Amino acid sequence: SAVISQKPSRDICQRGTSLTIQCQVDSQVTMMFWYRQQPGQSLTLIATANQGSEATYESGFVIDKFPISRPNLTFSTLTVSNMSPEDSSIYLCSVEKRGVGTEAFFGQGTRLTVV
Amino acid sequence: KQEVTQIPAALSVPEGENLVLNCSFTDSAIYNLQWFRQDPGKGLTSLLLIQSSQREQTSGRLNASLDKSSGRSTLYIAASQPGDSATYLCAVRREGGSEKLVFGKGTKLTVNP
Repeated sequence: SAVISQKPSRDICQRGTSLTIQCQVDSQVTMMFWYRQQPGQSLTLIATANQGSEATYESGFVIDKFPISRPNLTFSTLTVSNMSPEDSSIYLCSVEKRGVGTEAFFGQGTRLTVV
Repeated sequence: KQEVTQIPAALSVPEGENLVLNCSFTDSAIYNLQWFRQDPGKGLTSLLLIQSSQREQTSGRLNASLDKSSGRSTLYIAASQPGDSATYLCAVRREGGSEKLVFGKGTKLTVNP
């Protein structure tokens, strides 16, 4: 398994500002994943963060809005830039472990409200 | 494009009842399926991982079954407790093992004391 610590757990932010979310894993992993969960919706993958290279963004998500850092194999940050109320969501960090199969593990999430 | 549907969207049961949550997916070419639990405003906790070659997995009072050919999985919860109240999400991963997860919207379960 994997233990993932995510900070902050929640925040209320003013529109136009930026928030950086941190994700720390208890073991080294090749890839880290950032998801968004809008109210009442399922999880949507924002991007995959690889150490030593640019993050890979999914359709509809861009680096200018969601810059990601991956300085080492246990840590990543996601910044939500120039926030609007539409960015109010739960943001989740995830890693995958390969054993019998590939299993995903998640942090406790960051609940963001933009006012 | 893979789509995952969970029915019902919400379920309310009295304590002690056995219950079944359903998950269906449109593309049967999956690598595995994972069930998660999510408490309000929180992250996801992995409950069960079932590989495409498996028919079921069990953990305590939870049992997940998989019928890959029909594109269905069920999560059976025995002797439900108020602490089981949460949203249950299923997610599938396409064949290849490195494909991204596709999630359903979840079933919100309330177990009443």
